[in-house]
Amino acid sequence: RKEVEQDPGPFNVPEGATVAFNCTYSNSASQSFFWYRQDCRKEPKLLMSVYSSGNEDGRFTAQLNRASQYISLLIRDSKLSDSATYLCVVNIMIYNQGGKLIFGQGTELSVKP
Amino acid sequence: EPEVTQTPSHQVTQMGQEVILRCVPISNHLYFYWYRQILGQKVEFLVSFYNNEISEKSEIFDDQFSVERPDGSNFTLKIRSTKLEDSAMYFCASSTLAGPNNEQFFGPGTRLTVL
Repeated sequence: RKEVEQDPGPFNVPEGATVAFNCTYSNSASQSFFWYRQDCRKEPKLLMSVYSSGNEDGRFTAQLNRASQYISLLIRDSKLSDSATYLCVVNIMIYNQGGKLIFGQGTELSVKP
Repeated sequence: EPEVTQTPSHQVTQMGQEVILRCVPISNHLYFYWYRQILGQKVEFLVSFYNNEISEKSEIFDDQFSVERPDGSNFTLKIRSTKLEDSAMYFCASSTLAGPNNEQFFGPGTRLTVL
């Protein structure tokens, strides 16, 4: 089983649509959770951290269910500029010396006019 | 806004040659990382570094790889004898915290092409 598994995509949606990404992780020692976005051939950029209580940042809402080891990202009113690959990422702590990030394969989103 | 920088942006080398990839982490960060991404594949953890020593390394990070913080600002990844399969994008990252909210910030990457 993959450590972090995401919908393979691609998702092709019109502007203004709501789109949801799902992710599951297998390592119960995972301690923190993130969504990153990656534009073609660029570095991953942190979109938002994900908390158990759920959190929202503008048009983006992230949810975490530790019991089922499931993470989600909802994008409302999608814009052309949201087109990117969305990476589900979990952090495994290393003896209180930082942590290593485990990445999912990514889900590609294409927002069309 | 402070950012992680990496040089060079693209490195082409012959198989068997040594390469050094350079990174300047964000200045007040204490934890440093290297990741790689083979074209079309996911980002993979290579190594983490704190307090001038390796904290953890992955199976990918074998004896051909080494990291160093030669001065107060640079963080380098050396590949001693490159193989074709080392061709990838190499990302440096840094973070300031060790706790659960360890948000890592990535540099723009070095594209390594081994011929």
